Amino acid sequence: GQNIDQPTEMTATEGAIVQINCTYQTSGFNGLFWYQQHAGEAPTFLSYNVLDGLEEKGRFSSFLSRSKGYSYLLLKELQMKDSASYLCAVNPGGYNKLIFGAGTRLAVHP
Amino acid sequence: EAQVTQNPRYLITVTGKKLTVTCSQNMNHEYMSWYRQDPGLGLRQIYYSMNVEVTDKGDVPEGYKVSRKEKRNFPLILESPSPNQTSLYFCASSSSVRSFPLHFGNGTRLTVT
Repeated sequence: GQNIDQPTEMTATEGAIVQINCTYQTSGFNGLFWYQQHAGEAPTFLSYNVLDGLEEKGRFSSFLSRSKGYSYLLLKELQMKDSASYLCAVNPGGYNKLIFGAGTRLAVHP
Repeated sequence: EAQVTQNPRYLITVTGKKLTVTCSQNMNHEYMSWYRQDPGLGLRQIYYSMNVEVTDKGDVPEGYKVSRKEKRNFPLILESPSPNQTSLYFCASSSSVRSFPLHFGNGTRLTVT
């Protein structure tokens, strides 16, 4: 089966750092994606990992360990606008299909 | 501006009344797909298309149809909607069948009563 797990909700303080974890078990693996989604809006692409290690993009970083089936998204210097859902998704291979986790709703408070 | 456009944004209908949700992209993308998003379940793929006249089922295709007569358009058809198809629907596209990321439309919130 295909399974992607991430926490349902998290809260953090403005200016702080938060780490959102994602574990996956899929039939194949051809990359892991993080998307940001504000309520009722389209998911927007944040990051992509296909090899083990850390990818950094400004305030956002994403880490992958393929042997552990584990990834995390690290958000630094949190801003109020970072309040959103963060979706972890895996491409199991073959074509552009993405299998999504249920998403982590992050609330940033002052 | 490069975008994926869905219409309508909101739709309320009754059980059994056929409806179509349109999706159009202006990026000359080959690959297009439809997802539905339900609380606690995440996004699930309904149908996808690798190119004109090439479509296939995703994970939750029951009750839906699609067509791909032109490269830019990929409508989602509900022949006889039922309340369990109440959901938030997203169309997505990418330049080719193995390229990322997927670009998502703004979504269509469908309510079937």
